[in-house]
Amino acid sequence: DSGVTQTPKHLITATGQRVTLRCSPRSGDLSVYWYQQSLDQGLQFLIQYYNGEERAKGNILERFSAQQFPDLHSELNLSSLELGDSALYFCASSVAGGVMNYNEQFFGPGTRLTVL
Amino acid sequence: GESVGLHLPTLSVQEGDNSIINCAYSNSASDYFIWYKQESGKGPQFIIDIRSNMDKRQGQRVTVLLNKTVKHLSLQIAATQPGDSAVYFCAENKGPYGQNFVFGPGTRLSVLP
Repeated sequence: DSGVTQTPKHLITATGQRVTLRCSPRSGDLSVYWYQQSLDQGLQFLIQYYNGEERAKGNILERFSAQQFPDLHSELNLSSLELGDSALYFCASSVAGGVMNYNEQFFGPGTRLTVL
Repeated sequence: GESVGLHLPTLSVQEGDNSIINCAYSNSASDYFIWYKQESGKGPQFIIDIRSNMDKRQGQRVTVLLNKTVKHLSLQIAATQPGDSAVYFCAENKGPYGQNFVFGPGTRLSVLP
């Protein structure tokens, strides 16, 4: 158990809908990262938040957004869902995550999103 | 474009043998690399990391080798055990702002009894 929790575990929805995935980092971790894992694209970094502020952006679509709240939990919002958005979405956390400050990332169990 | 890739998508080894998983990267400016292990139904798990100012780093039963000349990374697992069966990913950090990692497609390691 990494100490990172994600809800829900599974999510089934229809195209065009909007969903929210939730992540609670390990106690004491200030950084939260979101990743998407699909069969054709592999594991892709989406976005990182550090202590409530966006720190780094990866291959995140404009239809997707995220935020980190004062209690450090984070939510990933996916809107106008398409079939291709079906994937595993992982959240990870680390103690820090600033410039040239590499910290081990601990991954949650993931949320499996199925878009029908 | 910049990418991280793996030479072998699948690898089968006998229990007790050593395993070597390879990874090629194309961004010579990458300064930090990580190997992750992902077991079925679980999230990736950190195994070992290495910075670009090092050639080798050892952990418990694992060694990562970095060859910057040919932009190659390898993970060596000594005395491979059944519990090592998983998919292994290498990742490079594009840096320097935050931790923007690019992951390889993964290699599935199967340990044969």
